Amino acid sequence: GAVVSQHPSRVICKSGTSVKIECRSLDFQATTMFWYRQFPKQSLMLMATSNEGSKATYEQGVEKDKFLINHASLTLSTLTVTSAHPEDSSFYICSARVGRTDTQYFGPGTRLTVL
Amino acid sequence: QKEVEQDPGPLSVPEGAIVSLNCTYSNSAFQYFMWYRQYSRKGPELLMYTYSSGNKEDGRFTAQVDKSSKYISLFIRDSQPSDSATYLCAMSARTGNQFYFGTGTSLTVIP
Repeated sequence: GAVVSQHPSRVICKSGTSVKIECRSLDFQATTMFWYRQFPKQSLMLMATSNEGSKATYEQGVEKDKFLINHASLTLSTLTVTSAHPEDSSFYICSARVGRTDTQYFGPGTRLTVL
Repeated sequence: QKEVEQDPGPLSVPEGAIVSLNCTYSNSAFQYFMWYRQYSRKGPELLMYTYSSGNKEDGRFTAQVDKSSKYISLFIRDSQPSDSATYLCAMSARTGNQFYFGTGTSLTVIP
């Protein structure tokens, strides 16, 4: 099956710093990638949809300037949490859409802890 | 009304039992139906993918879609402790990128 990787798997940072999370599709080209946030024992919350070469589409309530998304190539999308605060601590998961199918393959997730 | 409804559980069964997980939905435009398994602190893993109505079987897993009732199910036969996880249903319409996820059902299989 399609493989999606995320890096780093875990990050701890101080309040006010910026953190970049990378999402890569390893064995396929992903024209569309998605970024989710998940709180403990809750379902996935879609943050934004990212299409290669164009600006990301953010869901209502998600701050574009705080969560910067770049999808510069067909295999890489990045999420940068700018000026992170403790309330940004969460589990961030990316996924990639495979070709023309309507299914997504998820990365392993990144656990962000902001002190 | 939510687009997708899923009983959060938790569901606890003995090893070897047949497990039935279900989701209902309200949007008749949904054509693609997926089941994901998520272990604690991991990303969801695609288990089953079904297009339109019908059944699909893969090993111990069977996915059923009943579009007339707007109801999908995942059956797990001969459940194992390693099946203990949260199971998420997801669906999308024929066009567009919008995916809709259930809230997930937490399953524990007791040895």
